[in-house]
Parts: sequence; structure tokens; C-alpha cells
Amino acid sequence: EIVLTQSPGTLSLSPGERATLSCRASQSVSSSFLAWYQQKPGQAPRLLIYGASSRATGIPDRFSGSGSGTDFTLTISRLEPEDFAVYYCQQYGSSPRITFGQGTRLDIK
Amino acid sequence: EVQLLESGGGLVQPGGSLRLSCAASGITFSSYAMSWVRQAPGKGLEWVSSISGSGGSTYDADSVKGRFTISRDNSKNTLYLQMNSLRAEDTAAYYCAKAYCSSTTCYYFDYWGQGTLVTVSS
Repeated sequence: EIVLTQSPGTLSLSPGERATLSCRASQSVSSSFLAWYQQKPGQAPRLLIYGASSRATGIPDRFSGSGSGTDFTLTISRLEPEDFAVYYCQQYGSSPRITFGQGTRLDIK
Repeated sequence: EVQLLESGGGLVQPGGSLRLSCAASGITFSSYAMSWVRQAPGKGLEWVSSISGSGGSTYDADSVKGRFTISRDNSKNTLYLQMNSLRAEDTAAYYCAKAYCSSTTCYYFDYWGQGTLVTVSS
């Protein structure tokens, strides 16, 4: 099973700042199978990024994804108040063996 | 508009059973693989089970194998999760999710329901 480790666990930033969230895989993951989700309290997760770098429908261009192999990054260029949430990376493995990272909590500083 | 609406959650004693349902609308339901993903209170997301569009193939996480059964009724546009031998550690919000797939493989979850809460406690 591929383990995804996200860092940091919590990130405290102010609106307008840049956020960089990391997702590291225990073994190589095809970029096609790496996605990012945003979850706000009391809500279901929402797809942000798929294929490591493609934005889902309706996602603002301040969100971007990058990376390959075992290291992936979600960047939010300029934080808006509505961006403070928990973010999860996920890989859709074969069989399937789907795994999520433990999440990064993005807090307002 | 795609909508996924879960139901069937509630309080159940350890060792008990529960069946969750997820009613889908806005999609050609039989064309899509579907999954259940759960989230224990204050914790992260955990994949539970997946089923192909036809229902002919199912996959389960090791943590639920032999206890949970995923199924679907394409005539009713509904996904199910039969949960038996429930344990305290099964307490979670259970989400149904639609998978985005090609003809041969799936990649990510593009739509999620709002979830239904299952509490296993005596």
C-alpha cells in the first residue's frame, strides 16, 4: 500500500500570503493518479486538482499543483479567507488501493 | 447537476448491522464506478469500498473486508453499503463518491455526497 505523508500538519498564514503544501509518497505514483481535495468543517471534500496539476472545474487559478514521482505540491498563490480549510492529497492505486494523506490544516494567522 | 444523497446512518450497538444508501441523480449512474469513503470524528479520509459501473467488480479496504459489502442497483440509481459486525472504530461519517474513470482505470473522485454519520456504541 502506498502511504502518503503530508507536511506540515498545520500551516498558519495570513490572507494574501502564499501557501505551499507537500505530499510525499512512500513509492512512486503516476501523476495521473494524484489528486488534491479541500474540506471545510461540516462539508464533504471537494476536488481541487487532478492529474497532479490540472484544476477541477470552477477552481480559481490561485490554486496550482505540481510534482512527480514521490513528491507533490499544492500551492495557493494568494490566500483568500475562504481558502482556510483542510487539504488532502490522494492517490488512486491499482486494484484499486486508494489512499489519502493525513491532511494539512490551513489556519488563519 | 450531479447529486449524491446518502442515508441510513445512525446509532448501532457493537456487533450490529446497518445498511447505507446513496441515491444518485444528474448522471448516467450505471456508467460510473462508485465508492464509499469514511471519516472518523476529527480524523482524515479513509477509502472503504469501490464498485464498478456494472456492479461486477468490487474492492474493499482490508479494515472492512469480510464485514462490509458494497453493491448497487442501477435501475434505482442507488449505491449501498451493508455493514455487519460493526465495531467502535467504524464510527465515522460515510461519504459516497463518484469516480472519474477511463475505460480501463479510475483516477480520482469528482463528486461527493454530504455524508451520513454512523455511530457504533453501546
